[in-house]
Amino acid sequence: KQEVTQIPAALSVPEGENLVLNCSFTDSAIYNLQWFRQDPGKGLTSLLLIQSSQREQTSGRLNASLDKSSGRSTLYIAASQPGDSATYLCAVGELYNTDKLIFGTGTRLQVFP
Amino acid sequence: DTEVTQTPKHLVMGMTNKKSLKCEQHMGHRAMYWYKQKAKKPPELMFVYSYEKLSINESVPSRFSPECPNSSLLNLHLHALQPEDSALYLCASSQSGDEQFFGPGTRLTVL
Repeated sequence: KQEVTQIPAALSVPEGENLVLNCSFTDSAIYNLQWFRQDPGKGLTSLLLIQSSQREQTSGRLNASLDKSSGRSTLYIAASQPGDSATYLCAVGELYNTDKLIFGTGTRLQVFP
Repeated sequence: DTEVTQTPKHLVMGMTNKKSLKCEQHMGHRAMYWYKQKAKKPPELMFVYSYEKLSINESVPSRFSPECPNSSLLNLHLHALQPEDSALYLCASSQSGDEQFFGPGTRLTVL
């Protein structure tokens, strides 16, 4: 059974720092991996989608990498801003049931001025 | 347009009530999803519709009844819920197992 873990559970950093969020999964047979952000009480906003054949994806200040063999993905946020404060979730798409996402436990990020 | 809409935003219901949640997307996506999210927890998949047919039911109690009237619309009918069913209910859509787009959610409180 696929299990997805995110470390750290919470992170508080000053504005301007570059930071890395980690996502680990136990079964390397994945279809894709998606990163989301969620503001309190709101829905999920898709940030980046990495297909299983890809190694990384970039969007603005965000860069996500994928290492299937080691069961890891990282989300790199450059020059963090207070508006980046949110919970970040990674989710793994199952290879044999591509409609099913298994979510990680989330990292709650606070960026202070 | 990558928008998924959900109504209502908030819902308070008693344990004997019948209510429905509605979700709509106009992106031409062929798959639509219902998730349940409790506070400080990740979303949990409930149901998936693919091409308007129920393809995944994650052993959800029968007091939750999904319906997909057409390719753009997804409903979740609620009946005889319990207080522990109080949660944020999220709808999502995607094309062919690809990127999932989520709506803003319905905050449900069961008294």
